Amino acid sequence: ETGVTQSPTHLIKTRGQQVTLRCSSQSGHNTVSWYQQALGQGPQFIFQYYREEENGRGNFPPRFSGLQFPNYSSELNVNALELDDSALYLCASSLAKGAGAEAFFGQGTRLTVV
Amino acid sequence: KQEVTQIPAALSVPEGENLVLNCSFTDSAIYNLQWFRQDPGKGLTSLLLIQSSQREQTSGRLNASLDKSSGRSTLYIAASQPGDSATYLCAVMDSNYQLIWGAGTKLIIKP
Repeated sequence: ETGVTQSPTHLIKTRGQQVTLRCSSQSGHNTVSWYQQALGQGPQFIFQYYREEENGRGNFPPRFSGLQFPNYSSELNVNALELDDSALYLCASSLAKGAGAEAFFGQGTRLTVV
Repeated sequence: KQEVTQIPAALSVPEGENLVLNCSFTDSAIYNLQWFRQDPGKGLTSLLLIQSSQREQTSGRLNASLDKSSGRSTLYIAASQPGDSATYLCAVMDSNYQLIWGAGTKLIIKP
């Protein structure tokens, strides 16, 4: 157990809908990163939040957005869902944004878009 | 642009064998390298973290090495067990503090 929890664990949505995924970071961790993992591939970086500010973004369109709250928990929002958004979404928390920070992952949210 | 490659993509060995998984990266400007394990349909479990200034890390039957200049890391698993069956992923933290991932090696240990 890493102390990072994600909800929900599974989700089915229809194309065009919007979805919100949630992540509760490990106690004391101030940095949260989100990743998308398609079947059979490695995770792809979506964005990172450090102390409630976005701190880096991968190659994802603006319909992927996020928030980090004062307690360092985080949300990932995806608008106008597409079939290709079906994937495992992983959240990782770490103590600091910088070098050496070990990332601890939640169990992921499996999103299926139909 | 940093790219991470893992070879082989899949590996099947009998129980008890020692084995090596490989990870290579194209840009040596990394802060650290981390090895993870992923069971089917599950999240990621961190196995070992090697800082850029370190050469290796050990945990139990696992040993990971890092050669930053050649852009290579290996994960050595001693005396493999069926419970080691999983997908093993390596990731490097790049100069923007982002984790860049390989596609993983799917390992099957046959009893």
